[in-house]
Amino acid sequence: EPEVTQTPSHQVTQMGQEVILRCVPISNHLYFYWYRQILGQKVEFLVSFYNNEISEKSEIFDDQFSVERPDGSNFTLKIRSTKLEDSAMYFCASSGQGARTEAFFGQGTRLTVV
Amino acid sequence: AQKVTQAQTEISVVEKEDVTLDCVYETRDTTYYLFWYKQPPSGELVFLIRRNSFDEQNEISGRYSWNFQKSTSSFNFTITASQVVDSAVYFCALSDQAGTALIFGKGTTLSVSS
Repeated sequence: EPEVTQTPSHQVTQMGQEVILRCVPISNHLYFYWYRQILGQKVEFLVSFYNNEISEKSEIFDDQFSVERPDGSNFTLKIRSTKLEDSAMYFCASSGQGARTEAFFGQGTRLTVV
Repeated sequence: AQKVTQAQTEISVVEKEDVTLDCVYETRDTTYYLFWYKQPPSGELVFLIRRNSFDEQNEISGRYSWNFQKSTSSFNFTITASQVVDSAVYFCALSDQAGTALIFGKGTTLSVSS
């Protein structure tokens, strides 16, 4: 069964460092997303990406964040200068037709900023 | 603005009990989509069901059933004859046709003991 794959599963980084979280969405999906979940809290939308551009983003997704689809298979989230409050589980997801279809989530990358 | 409320923070039941998880949503859109996701202790988000606003038929899948009522803006989830493996955090989520973001509720932690 097709699945969304995220790497790494856990990343520890120093405050102020740049991190890149990687995702391989399901191959025939057209919409890609990043969500985050601070420990014990709800899942929050960060950004959606369609047709090689951002289609929607939340207030959380400020200038420190960027997304890219560098090739036909990978989808990345970059945090330029990490802060302690960026520590969270980051989920990548993909869907076939945006809001009309369900999003399938990867297993998440736990980011710890120290 | 869209909002999803899961008033039950934690529910504890004994195996074989039936349990209902409540979800109340707010949206001004006439076309929208409702979802339930399961987050087991391993942390991934597992898609359970999607419902669009025009389809108020209740759905049953094995021990799981969903009751969608537009009149009360609710989309409740019932597990019949609960099992220990049902222990997880369950999230209700909402999206509209124009947007792509999923708006999640805060989740209900279900603990099923043997």
